[in-house]
Amino acid sequence: AQSVTQPDIHITVSEGASLELRCNYSYGATPYLFWYVQSPGQGLQLLLKYFSGDTLVQGIKGFEAEFKRSQSSFNLRKPSVHWSDAAEYFCAVGGGSSASKIIFGSGTRLSIRP
Amino acid sequence: DAGITQSPRYKITETGRQVTLMCHQTWSHSYMFWYRQDLGHGLRLIYYSAAADITDKGEVPDGYVVSRSKTENFPLTLESATRSQTSVYFCATTNDRVQPQHFGDGTRLSIL
Repeated sequence: AQSVTQPDIHITVSEGASLELRCNYSYGATPYLFWYVQSPGQGLQLLLKYFSGDTLVQGIKGFEAEFKRSQSSFNLRKPSVHWSDAAEYFCAVGGGSSASKIIFGSGTRLSIRP
Repeated sequence: DAGITQSPRYKITETGRQVTLMCHQTWSHSYMFWYRQDLGHGLRLIYYSAAADITDKGEVPDGYVVSRSKTENFPLTLESATRSQTSVYFCATTNDRVQPQHFGDGTRLSIL
């Protein structure tokens, strides 16, 4: 069955430090992978997406993610976080013939230490 | 360019009442979705629509009804609200089933 796991519920990093948010997926075929960010009181905003090709994907706001098929992972990274990056981050996986087949992880809340 | 508008943003109602959440888009996207967001569950799909007059169930459809008579509108109705339906509801759209979805700002619904 299709699933997404974000093992870290809450992460705190210092401003200027590097960041890696983990995402593991289970999917029977080549997945479409997404990272979204949600600021308080807002909807989700797409950070980046992976469909095929280069496994290192660049997104907005300085984020990148790497697709590792052997590890079924799609971790999100940023070399230096800013206080404005504090938010909830969601990994999602989709694919196949049905639009309903997009599954979201339970999210990772990122706090930034001044 | 409003994109997606959800209304109301906040709603408090009582168990047993009917309540309708509205979603309106200005892009004419084919696909529209309703999700609920609960702590620890991420987003769960309630219903989606591939086009006007075409709707289908998602992961958690029980207790909800949708319709889509016009491309731009996708209302979600709770016919007899229950406390377990207290949640934040998000509408989303996309023009292609494999493309990322665009989200509204959500409706926070409390059922007392």
